[in-house]
Amino acid sequence: EVQLLESGGGLVQPGGSLRLSCVVSGFRFRSYAMSWVRQAPGKGLEWVSGITGSGGGTYYADSVQGRFTISRDNSKNTLYLQMDSLRAEDTAVYFCAKDFADPTSVAFFDYWGQGTLVTVSS
Amino acid sequence: DIVLTQSPDSLAVSLGERATINCKSSQSVLYSPNSKNYLTWYQQKPGQPPKLLFYWASTRESGVPDRFVASGSGTDFTLTITSLQAEDVAVYYCQQYFSTPLLTFGGGTKVEIK
Repeated sequence: EVQLLESGGGLVQPGGSLRLSCVVSGFRFRSYAMSWVRQAPGKGLEWVSGITGSGGGTYYADSVQGRFTISRDNSKNTLYLQMDSLRAEDTAVYFCAKDFADPTSVAFFDYWGQGTLVTVSS
Repeated sequence: DIVLTQSPDSLAVSLGERATINCKSSQSVLYSPNSKNYLTWYQQKPGQPPKLLFYWASTRESGVPDRFVASGSGTDFTLTITSLQAEDVAVYYCQQYFSTPLLTFGGGTKVEIK
């Protein structure tokens, strides 16, 4: 059974940092690209960042470019999102998501975690 | 960036009736060399993560009931629930992957029971 479990969310002040983790099981982690997708309270979905299966390719939405860093540890079956210089508009539930098929690019997602809430407020 | 515009924002349909959701792309997501449309549909129920319904615009994901039908090509796409059931109450999103790695979602359409 495929499982994705996010952690690391919480309350942080504007300008602060937070690191999210997503531990996965039930599939060969290194064979799939992964992404982070967020959802602000009561709003729609926004793709944030993606990473290839090897970790050699990383991609970011313009809204987080230069502030967020995605990474993965294939030996630990874990995906990360380092979030720096956080803003109020980064407040959202952050989902990790498994790409459907291709390890070399991000496309669409067949499995999602339950999400972790990040709140940026003073 | 490719912008996806969904309509309507919400709709209320009687049980057993048809619900139709539209997704319009600001540019074509049809890749001519393979004739595939790089578009997916997701269903998100309250308090849950999204669930994949369709990819390549009309390929149904395993386990998705056949009352869900997706169609369209180029810039105009449709998700139809042919006979609405109570468990179909959710928000539905389209998403394009034509401009990978920059992925975008539509704004969502909320489906309720009338």
